[in-house]
Amino acid sequence: NAGVTQTPKFQVLKTGQSMTLQCAQDMNHEYMSWYRQDPGMGLRLIHYSVGAGITDQGEVPNGYNVSRSTTEDFPLRLLSAAPSQTSVYFCASSRWIQETQYFGPGTRLLVL
Amino acid sequence: GENVEQHPSTLSVQEGDSAVIKCTYSDSASNYFPWYKQELGKGPQLIIDIRSNVGEKKDQRIAVTLNKTAKHFSLHITETQPEDSAVYFCAASRGNDYKLSFGAGTTVTVRA
Repeated sequence: NAGVTQTPKFQVLKTGQSMTLQCAQDMNHEYMSWYRQDPGMGLRLIHYSVGAGITDQGEVPNGYNVSRSTTEDFPLRLLSAAPSQTSVYFCASSRWIQETQYFGPGTRLLVL
Repeated sequence: GENVEQHPSTLSVQEGDSAVIKCTYSDSASNYFPWYKQELGKGPQLIIDIRSNVGEKKDQRIAVTLNKTAKHFSLHITETQPEDSAVYFCAASRGNDYKLSFGAGTTVTVRA
């Protein structure tokens, strides 16, 4: 099992550019989520999915889109990057919300 | 939504001493409380969790206590070792809103 994989590991964007952060899991988990981690603010939920074709907003969804066409993949899209989106992004998966969340290694994003 | 506060933000302990981290939550409907450990450059990893039907849970040197009346829960690490140095996050979930709310984190340093 590879667990939860994320690509890229590091990315630099200019303001206004778009990009997709990839997340995949091979554990057949129904629940997947995206968090951003900023100093002193812990992990904040961006979007989550309870299964293929079902997504919903978390605590800080503005500026981000997601889709879940398969159980394995849950990409996060930044349509027009802003400096405020500079952060470390973590994808996580689990069988259900109240079970062990398996986190990926993270993507460090810098928006200039 | 749920608000989780975590204290202290930093904690330095002598090797062999105990470390205690405290969290409070706002939503009385929350019933699941996990603790995650994040080592430098990695994603968080679950170390222990507790559900609202129990007051305490232990796993070797780690224990978690829950006080539902006061809406707070704590992580206790005994006989600390250098490998316990990391950032620790508490979290809370009510389950039916499919969200996990994290505290801001505690950086624990174990001095040799």
